[in-house]
Amino acid sequence: DAKTTQPTSMDCAEGRAANLPCNHSTISGNEYVYWYRQIHSQGPQYIIHGLKNNETNEMASLIITEDRKSSTLILPHATLRDTAVYYCIVQTGANNLFFGTGTRLTVIP
Amino acid sequence: GAVVSQHPSWVICKSGTSVKIECRSLDFQATTMFWYRQFPKQSLMLMATSNEGSKATYEQGVEKDKFLINHASLTLSTLTVTSAHPEDSSFYICSARALTGGQPQHFGDGTRLSIL
Repeated sequence: DAKTTQPTSMDCAEGRAANLPCNHSTISGNEYVYWYRQIHSQGPQYIIHGLKNNETNEMASLIITEDRKSSTLILPHATLRDTAVYYCIVQTGANNLFFGTGTRLTVIP
Repeated sequence: GAVVSQHPSWVICKSGTSVKIECRSLDFQATTMFWYRQFPKQSLMLMATSNEGSKATYEQGVEKDKFLINHASLTLSTLTVTSAHPEDSSFYICSARALTGGQPQHFGDGTRLSIL
């Protein structure tokens, strides 16, 4: 399974867009990009996933570069409740998810 | 959206006790469920993959006789920590994936296990 690289931490002002990058240069053709987040003392929450095309749902947008070697998760209007650790995971749909260290996003009032 | 229920959310018990944790997919069927463990300030580590109707697959270093997994139906998997000791204290989290290919895993809210 492809490895991902994410910044250790990021800050974002409340109400602004949070853009969380992820590099996955060794991604293979059948691997999806999944994003989860974990708020302290809770189980991970699914946010969004995609294969090639950009995706948008009620929580976020996922922008995947044309070569699929990197992606960006966009939270359009960050709130204090979006403070969490965000995990970018590249995996085929059939396998378990490997959680790296993720990005600790802190939304600042 | 898909909901995974995990019970109990918090357990405190004496050393030597066996503890059972349930993981249910409430609104979808899951042939595969996963059990993770998370120690403080660390990321989730996969313990085992639970397949309905067959034996679980354990990750290297996880004792199958200590962490008993049963996946009796498409909506229920259980993890039993047998003869728990203080070093087994951790945050245990399950996840389930729908039958449909490519669908994401959904996680329970976790069980915090404290062994005294």
